[in-house]
Amino acid sequence: DGGITQSPKYLFRKEGQNVTLSCEQNLNHDAMYWYRQDPGQGLRLIYYSQIVNDFQKGDIAEGYSVSREKKESFPLTVTSAQKNPTAFYLCASRARKENTEAFFGQGTRLTVV
Amino acid sequence: GQSLEQPSEVTAVEGAIVQINCTYQTSGFYGLSWYQQHDGGAPTFLSYNALDGLEETGRFSSFLSRSDSYGYLLLQELQMKDSASYFCAVSLSGYSTLTFGKGTMLLVSP
Repeated sequence: DGGITQSPKYLFRKEGQNVTLSCEQNLNHDAMYWYRQDPGQGLRLIYYSQIVNDFQKGDIAEGYSVSREKKESFPLTVTSAQKNPTAFYLCASRARKENTEAFFGQGTRLTVV
Repeated sequence: GQSLEQPSEVTAVEGAIVQINCTYQTSGFYGLSWYQQHDGGAPTFLSYNALDGLEETGRFSSFLSRSDSYGYLLLQELQMKDSASYFCAVSLSGYSTLTFGKGTMLLVSP
């Protein structure tokens, strides 16, 4: 079955540590996105990539980094520079053509203690 | 910048009809989408409007007025399983990112 997979579902890290969230899709989508969701804040865009080896900052990119070495994979690293990393992180992918829906992974809930 | 406004919470009873409004202010506009998210889960696509008018998909319909920068999601014959958060999202071009509103929590009671 085609889909988009995020792992792990829950992640705990100590303050000051970098952590990488995985996102893999087998939908053959060119575009991939990372969103952060906090209670009452909706989904805010962190980074996106429209094609392999290229990515752009979203609205809240500070303290995060990404890579896009393969079409299927778009990992997100939450660095120690991110002041408030505890949140629900959602990865999405979309075909790079008009009027297409975004498919979301099940999310990773990151808690920094 | 972009901003989208939608009510934070709406309540209704089973079998009723509910309308969730969304107004937007964006620099450019291509289309308005609606997504549903159950608590702690993945958002799932419901509908998309690029042109003015009503789009119907089963119990759900979505409306867009580009001149008023306004759209709504209409849910009919409400069921308990419709209790979820609903997000409107704008795309600024056919290939661009989606900018989401803060979401409307719908509570359906018996």
